[in-house]
Amino acid sequence: DAKTTQPNSMESNEEEPVHLPCNHSTISGTDYIHWYRQLPSQGPEYVIHGLTSNVNNRMASLAIAEDRKSSTLILHRATLRDAAVYYCILRDVNSGYALNFGKGTSLLVTP
Amino acid sequence: DSGVTQTPKHLITATGQRVTLRCSPRSGDLSVYWYQQSLDQGLQFLIQYYNGEERAKGNILERFSAQQFPDLHSELNLSSLELGDSALYFCASSVSRGNEQFFGPGTRLTVL
Repeated sequence: DAKTTQPNSMESNEEEPVHLPCNHSTISGTDYIHWYRQLPSQGPEYVIHGLTSNVNNRMASLAIAEDRKSSTLILHRATLRDAAVYYCILRDVNSGYALNFGKGTSLLVTP
Repeated sequence: DSGVTQTPKHLITATGQRVTLRCSPRSGDLSVYWYQQSLDQGLQFLIQYYNGEERAKGNILERFSAQQFPDLHSELNLSSLELGDSALYFCASSVSRGNEQFFGPGTRLTVL
C-alpha cells in the first residue's frame, strides 16, 4: 500500500484557516486521496476525497498537487469542534477498499 | 449520528473468554467493515463483508471471526481472549466497497 506522511500535531486559533499537509510520494494512478477525522471518544468520520482535481464540500477543501505527491486539507475557519485527529489515506480502487489509517495529525484548536 | 449502531457499548471480560460484538449498518448499506483501535497499534482494519460474503481480510487473528447475516447486520466473534485484545472495536458501513465509510460509536472491550 502506498503510504502517507503527516505531521504528528498542529495547532490553530479558533476562526483561523487551517492547512493540514499530507505527503504521498509513492501514490499510484489509481489511488484516491481520502481524509477522515476522529473526534475525541468517537468513531472516525469521512471528511473529503479526491483523485486529481481540487475538491470542496461543506466541511473542507482538498488541494491536490499537480504531481499528486502531496495534498492539503483546508479547514476554512477552525472551530473548537474541529479539534480531532485527521487521517490522510490512499484508497486503491483496484485492490481492496479497507481504510489504512496511519497515525494522523492531531489538531489542537485554541480559543 | 452516523446511522451505524454497535452493541454493547462497553464489555468487560476475563482472559480466555469469548465475546460477540454486534453491528447494524446504515439502512441500505451492503458493505460492513470491522476495525480495531488500540493505543499501540492505532486503527487497524480487520475484515470486510459485502452482502453476506467475506471480501477482504486485514490483520485479523485466527481467534477472531466475523459474519454478515441476511438482514446485513454483522457480528465479530473474539475467542480465547488475551489482555492485548483490549481495544476499541469499530464497525463501519458503506453503500458499496468504494464509497465513504460511516463509522459506529465503537465497542470498548476490556480484558482483565
